[in-house]
Amino acid sequence: GESVGLHLPTLSVQEGDNSIINCAYSNSASDYFIWYKQESGKGPQFIIDIRSNMDKRQGQRVTVLLNKTVKHLSLQIAATQPGDSAVYFCAENIYGSARQLTFGSGTQLTVLP
Amino acid sequence: DVKVTQSSRYLVKRTGEKVFLECVQDMDHENMFWYRQDPGLGLRLIYFSYDVKMKEKGDIPEGYSVSREKKERFSLILESASTNQTSMYLCASSPVVQGKEYYEQYFGPGTRLTVT
Repeated sequence: GESVGLHLPTLSVQEGDNSIINCAYSNSASDYFIWYKQESGKGPQFIIDIRSNMDKRQGQRVTVLLNKTVKHLSLQIAATQPGDSAVYFCAENIYGSARQLTFGSGTQLTVLP
Repeated sequence: DVKVTQSSRYLVKRTGEKVFLECVQDMDHENMFWYRQDPGLGLRLIYFSYDVKMKEKGDIPEGYSVSREKKERFSLILESASTNQTSMYLCASSPVVQGKEYYEQYFGPGTRLTVT
């Protein structure tokens, strides 16, 4: 079946720098994308989402960019903090139903002091 | 805040045992999901339920069954546990509001199951 993948499994950034986490998707019919953050020992938590009729969406310190031409999604974290260290997952709604999300394998973000 | 709770954080079972993983959500959500999470494979959907007594297979249902007798509770059952079912199991829920389904899923803390 279709799958969501990530360009890099790990990412290390200096505290205060901006982080960019990338995600590739393969199904051009996907109409919704979501980013989750998973801290060690916890379940995934919602960060931000975007629909396919948008190119960009901003939240608090986070921005999601969607490039439908190349089927690419990115999560930008401004002024990365130690508390941002976690695994980040992108997910897409492939089947046109909110009941199913397909998740990528995740990127481990490590914030260096 | 939405709260999804799972009955155990850590569980150790022997091969062949029947295992029950319980999940409860307190926000009256219609949809509930069970995933397993393995390193490098991300989250894979085992089963989901969109109503009481309703269930649908996800991507990897083999070796598992589910039960949803009440709206707030969704159970995952391993009929005869095997070592390849050692994994992190995550439960999630999502709402339907005024007939519209919401994509965002709310997750529990997970149950780390080890089968020896």
